[in-house]
Formats: sequence, C-alpha cells, structure tokens
Amino acid sequence: DAGVTQSPTHLIKTRGQQVTLRCSPKSGHDTVSWYQQALGQGPQFIFQYYEEEERQRGNFPDRFSGHQFPNYSSELNVNALLLGDSALYLCASLRGGSLATQYFGPGTRLTVL
Amino acid sequence: EDQVTQSPEALRLQEGESSSLNCSYTVSGLRGLFWYRQDPGKGPEFLFTLYSAGEEKEKERLKATLTKKESFLHITAPKPEDSATYLCAVQAGGSNYKLTFGKGTLLTVNP
Repeated sequence: DAGVTQSPTHLIKTRGQQVTLRCSPKSGHDTVSWYQQALGQGPQFIFQYYEEEERQRGNFPDRFSGHQFPNYSSELNVNALLLGDSALYLCASLRGGSLATQYFGPGTRLTVL
Repeated sequence: EDQVTQSPEALRLQEGESSSLNCSYTVSGLRGLFWYRQDPGKGPEFLFTLYSAGEEKEKERLKATLTKKESFLHITAPKPEDSATYLCAVQAGGSNYKLTFGKGTLLTVNP
C-alpha cells in the first residue's frame, strides 16, 4: 500500500518566480492538508482540501493557493516567491472521520535564492 | 489560539539511559494529541494518537501518556536508532483536522 507521495523532492527557485508542488494521498484517503516547516521549527498549517474545496486555511497570504483533483491528489502553488518561503513543504492525508490520523509525505525542499 | 510547547528543545542520552519528553498544550476542546518522529530532511512518521486524559499507548521502547494539560513520551533503554526529532501536535474540536505542532525535541542517543 503506497503511502503519501510528493514531487519534486527538491526545488530551487529565484525571488519573484512561481512554484507548483504536487501530492498524492495514501490509498483510501480523501482529505489533503499542506504544511510549511522552516528549519528548526514545527510544521505550520497552510490549508486543507476536501471534495475539491478549500475547507480551512491557516495564516498564510493569498500568494499560497491550492487545488484538489477528483482523484484526491493535490497541488500547492506559491506565487511571487520570497526568500522566507524557503522551507520543507509537507503534504498530509487522512480519511475523513472524527478520530482520523494524518499521514505525512516525505516533503519537498524548496530553496528560494 | 491553540498552543503547544515541547521541552527540552534538545536531549542527549547514553544508550540505555531512559528519559521523558514533555508536551504542554492549550487547546479549545482537545480532539486528539499526536506524536510523530521526524528524521532530518524527511516527513514526520506517525507514532501515537491519544484522545483522553489517562490514556496510554506503547510501541517498542516508547510509551505515550496524556493528562488534561500535557503529554509525556517516555523512552526506555533507548538505542542510537531512536535519535530523531520528536514532534507533538494537537487537534482541536471542530478544527477540520488542522494540526498545531510544537517545535519538537531533538533526541540524540550516543552508543
């Protein structure tokens, strides 16, 4: 049973550029959340998608946007990249239910120069 | 606002030397408290979920406990392969599964 997968593994961009990160959830999971983890910090919640809709959003600017496809996979888009956007971007998936556990992918390391 | 504080920030143990990591939290209606293990440059690996005060769960050398204000991760006779960052997270009632994480405890176990 494949777990959560993310692509690409690493990415280097320059300030002002745009980036798209991809996530495929664990088999049977219908909800995807995205987190940003800066070096030495815990993951910070960006937003969550369910039934192709953004269901909840953390304290991130509108430069961060996302999408969920009918097969439950998801994309995270970041526009007008800043140096401070350099981080490990994590995708987590779960099967909806009140006691659901989230499983994380390996992450995408984004470096903004 | 939900808050999670983990202590210590870093812990260095000798192989076989047992210890505990602490996770203090404030949350409006706890739905669940989660422990994850994270190796450098990798995604968090799920360890335990605790739902109510008094609950305990064990896995190999790890045991997690929960009270109304904090959780402990007890590590018994650790081995070098237990070296990692241990993250604690809470999920509030009605939060649509959003996790609020602490900064983690970096555990190093020396042989």
